[in-house]
Formats: sequence, structure tokens, C-alpha cells
Amino acid sequence: KQEVTQIPAALSVPEGENLVLNCSFTDSAIYNLQWFRQDPGKGLTSLLLIQSSQREQTSGRLNASLDKSSGRSTLYIAASQPGDSATYLCAVNSGYALNFGKGTSLLVTP
Amino acid sequence: DAGITQSPRHKVTETGTPVTLRCHQTENHRYMYWYRQDPGHGLRLIHYSYGVKDTDKGEVSDGYSVSRSKTEDFLLTLESATSSQTSVYFCAISESSGQILKETQYFGPGTRLLVL
Repeated sequence: KQEVTQIPAALSVPEGENLVLNCSFTDSAIYNLQWFRQDPGKGLTSLLLIQSSQREQTSGRLNASLDKSSGRSTLYIAASQPGDSATYLCAVNSGYALNFGKGTSLLVTP
Repeated sequence: DAGITQSPRHKVTETGTPVTLRCHQTENHRYMYWYRQDPGHGLRLIHYSYGVKDTDKGEVSDGYSVSRSKTEDFLLTLESATSSQTSVYFCAISESSGQILKETQYFGPGTRLLVL
């Protein structure tokens, strides 16, 4: 069974800092990996999707990398802003659906 | 945003009563999913559908049934609700190539269910 772990569980940083969120998975036989953002009481918003053949994806200030062989992905957020405060979820696709980590709760303080 | 709605958005019910949650999409996507989200567990797959009348079980399917009679609607039924089914339920949709999910999965706003 695929296990997905996200570290740290919570993170607080001052505005403007660059930060890295980590995701690890136990089975490297994946098709793709997806990063989501979830605001309190809301649904999930897809941020980035990385196919297994790709090494990284970028969208604005976000950059996600994938090292399938080592079972790791990172989400890099540049120049963090208070509006980035949310929970970030990593999800791995090993077939027909996603296996989620428990998320990293990010707080960016002004 | 992907066209996904869930109804009801909030529901309080009593143990032993049947409950049906509805997911409606306007994207004509083939795949639809039901997840539940609980503190300490993250999101877990309940059931999914890969076409009209085609459904399969996920990780936590006990106590739940689903139906999909139209492409746009996916229903989740709790036959006899229990307190352990108190949760936030999310519907998701995706297009796919064959059996492999290669595309982004889009989520609905969620339904908060409280079983007393």
C-alpha cells in the first residue's frame, strides 16, 4: 500500500522567505504526483501536476520537483506572501486514484 | 474553476438514518470520486466511478454505496449513518486515458456531515 508522508506538519515563516515543503512516498511505481492547496473550510485547488517522466514543474512562484527513484517530491515557494497561508497536500497516483499525505499547514506572517 | 457542485453543503443527521450526498459536474469528465477527510487521516478514497454504471471500491468503502446513472451525477449513500461517518466529504472529477489517471483531479467544495 502506498504511504505518503509530508514534512513538516506545520510551518510558520515571515513574509518574503523562500520555503520548501517535502513529500515522500513508499512505492516508486507512480504515474504522477499532484500538489494541492486547501484553505480552511474549503475544497482542494490543484497547484501542480508532475508526470512520472518529468523532473519538475513550475507555475509562477511555485516549483515542484520529483525524484521518483528516491520517492521524494518538494514544493518550493518563492518570496512567500500572507496569501500563501493554507494547507498544502501532496498526492501520489499509483493507478486509478490518488493517495494523499496529511498535509503541511503553512502560516506566512506579515 | 471546474464545474463541480455538491449538495447538501452541510447536513446534520441521526444515527441509523439513510443519507445521500450528490455530486454534479458540468465538465463531462469520465472519472468521478468520493473522498472523506478526517483529522489525522488526510483524504481517503471511498468509491470511484469510471463511467455510467461503472463503479469500484476505494480504501474505506464499508458502510457506503454509490450510483452513477448519468455522466454528470455521482451519488454517495450512507445506508445507515453512524457517528464514525461524521466527516467532510469531497467529490472529485478527472479525465483520463484508458485506466490510468494522467490528468489533474479537480475537487468540489465539500459536504460537512455530522451524525449524532
